Amino acid sequence: QQQVKQSPQSLIVQKGGISIINCAYENTAFDYFPWYQQFPGKGPALLIAIRPDVSEKKEGRFTISFNKSAKQFSLHIMDSQPGDSATYFCAAGSNFGNEKLTFGTGTRLTIIP
Amino acid sequence: DSGVTQTPKHLITATGQRVTLRCSPRSGDLSVYWYQQSLDQGLQFLIQYYNGEERAKGNILERFSAQQFPDLHSELNLSSLELGDSALYFCASSVDPGDDSPLHFGNGTRLTVT
Repeated sequence: QQQVKQSPQSLIVQKGGISIINCAYENTAFDYFPWYQQFPGKGPALLIAIRPDVSEKKEGRFTISFNKSAKQFSLHIMDSQPGDSATYFCAAGSNFGNEKLTFGTGTRLTIIP
Repeated sequence: DSGVTQTPKHLITATGQRVTLRCSPRSGDLSVYWYQQSLDQGLQFLIQYYNGEERAKGNILERFSAQQFPDLHSELNLSSLELGDSALYFCASSVDPGDDSPLHFGNGTRLTVT
């Protein structure tokens, strides 16, 4: 059963534009929401994460927006660069941070010049 | 480089066979996680070990088993392999599963079952 729904499946954005990836979850017990970035041939790497006690978290050009009532969260990449081209996974966990993380199906982001 | 080492990088085997995937966690990390990545399913959590003990179980088939050894390396055993088991298998490690420390993923083992 898919507990974290991620969209879009693929996304093409012009250099300098804003990339937005959305995720929705069903399990209200989730309380930890990380985003992972994966380059071809590599394993995923943590990009940014949020807990539901805040509605937004920003790290450089990357921002997570969190809407607890809607059970949705999203990743915004400002001033997107070709080096941001990768697959992005949202995830959700409960109880203890990284235990049994449920991942979305991924978004393949391509930044074009 | 995440510091997590997975071997082998590629594995091609036939249906019905058994294979063992190996993972060495990052130095100092006590938790090891196994994930399966297929094209249409994304990353699926299989199992987690903490300091040698099974800590959490996900959608791991009965044909699959894992263990974590005293030196903290881990092995994932896949038996009676089926075509549908073809996937990327990732190992990840973290310092402590109870906090928000990141999962550090290896580069994966690509398993092809023919």
